[in-house]
Parts: sequence; C-alpha cells; structure tokens
Amino acid sequence: GENVEQHPSTLSVQEGDSAVIKCTYSDSASNYFPWYKQELGKGPQLIIDIRSNVGEKKDQRIAVTLNKTAKHFSLHITETQPEDSAVYFCAASSNTGKLIFGQGTTLQVKP
Amino acid sequence: KAGVTQTPRYLIKTRGQQVTLSCSPISGHRSVSWYQQTPGQGLQFLFEYFSETQRNKGNFPGRFSGRQFSNSRSEMNVSTLELGDSALYLCASSSEGGHTGELFFGEGSRLTVL
Repeated sequence: GENVEQHPSTLSVQEGDSAVIKCTYSDSASNYFPWYKQELGKGPQLIIDIRSNVGEKKDQRIAVTLNKTAKHFSLHITETQPEDSAVYFCAASSNTGKLIFGQGTTLQVKP
Repeated sequence: KAGVTQTPRYLIKTRGQQVTLSCSPISGHRSVSWYQQTPGQGLQFLFEYFSETQRNKGNFPGRFSGRQFSNSRSEMNVSTLELGDSALYLCASSSEGGHTGELFFGEGSRLTVL
C-alpha cells in the first residue's frame, strides 16, 4: 500500500543546534519527495524537494538526503533559529499519481 | 498574484448536517487537491480534480464528494456529518499535480461538528 512514516512526532532543540527528521516510504515507484513547513494558522508551504535521480540537495541551512535502496529520506536543518519552529511534513509521490504525506513533526527551537 | 483562497475559514455544524467548502486556486492552475488534517494523522488525501475531472481519490467514504468548475474553482461537500469529520480541510492548487511539483495550499477551512 501507499504509506509514509515520519519520525519523530515532536522534536525540541536549542537555537543553533541541528534538527533531523526522517521518513520512510513503501512505494518503490515513488520518485518525488517534497518537504512542507506549516506555521500556526497557515497552510503548508514547500521548503525543499528532491527527485529520485538525486541523492542529496541543499538550500542554505536546509538539506534533504534520499536513499532509494532503503526507501528513506531525511530533512536536515542546521543552525536552527526560533523562526524554524513549525510543523514539518514529508511526502512521497505514488505510482497512482497521489502525493502521500507523513504524520508531521512538530519542531520547537528554544532560544 | 493571488494565492489559494478557501471559504469559509471557520464553521460549526451539528451531526447529520451537510457542509460545502469552496476553494479558488491560483490563476492558471488546473489541478486542485483536497486534504483533511487532524492531529496525529497528518494530511490525508481526499481527492484531486484536474480540468473538471476527478483524477484521483483517497480512501474516504462516499459522504465526501467534490467537483471542479470550468474556471478551476473547486468545492467539496460532506454529507451526513459525523463527529469524526471535525478537522482542518486544506485545498491546494498546482499546475500539474502535487505528485510532480509544488502544491500551493490555502489556509484551510476549520470544521467543527457538534
């Protein structure tokens, strides 16, 4: 079936530390893996994405890694800041044309 | 460029009633997807419409339905409301669909069923 597991569900870090969120997916045909950030009272917003022909992608303090063999991908945020506090969702495309989301990770960055 | 607009933002209904939610996508976007968000369950896919046709459907009962108009605006309807339908309903638009590129989300319609 189509499933994306995301861990941890909550994550608390000190400002300046790194944060890592991990996801696993079940559909071997998945080829698109976006990450969305949802701030309080707002809809999710794309922060970074990666496609299956790439193993790693970086954008300033944010990076995503993909291991297709193990069917898992991770979001890395370095030098965290209070404004990084939000709910983060990973997602994976399915061979049926859907985008399947993980359960979300609530990240708290303490000043 | 205007973003995705969802109306109403908040609504309260009682069990057994029905509700209609509306979504206006970004101009030029042909794909509109609907998601249900509840605590601990993440974003559950309801359905996707593309050029007025339902292109994909999630695992929700038939009480949940939707449609898309020729101007790409979309509506979703939930009939015979249950307490468990209380959630934030999010609409997202895109050029070709979220499985290939960026989804642009609205701020959601928060439904409370009493």
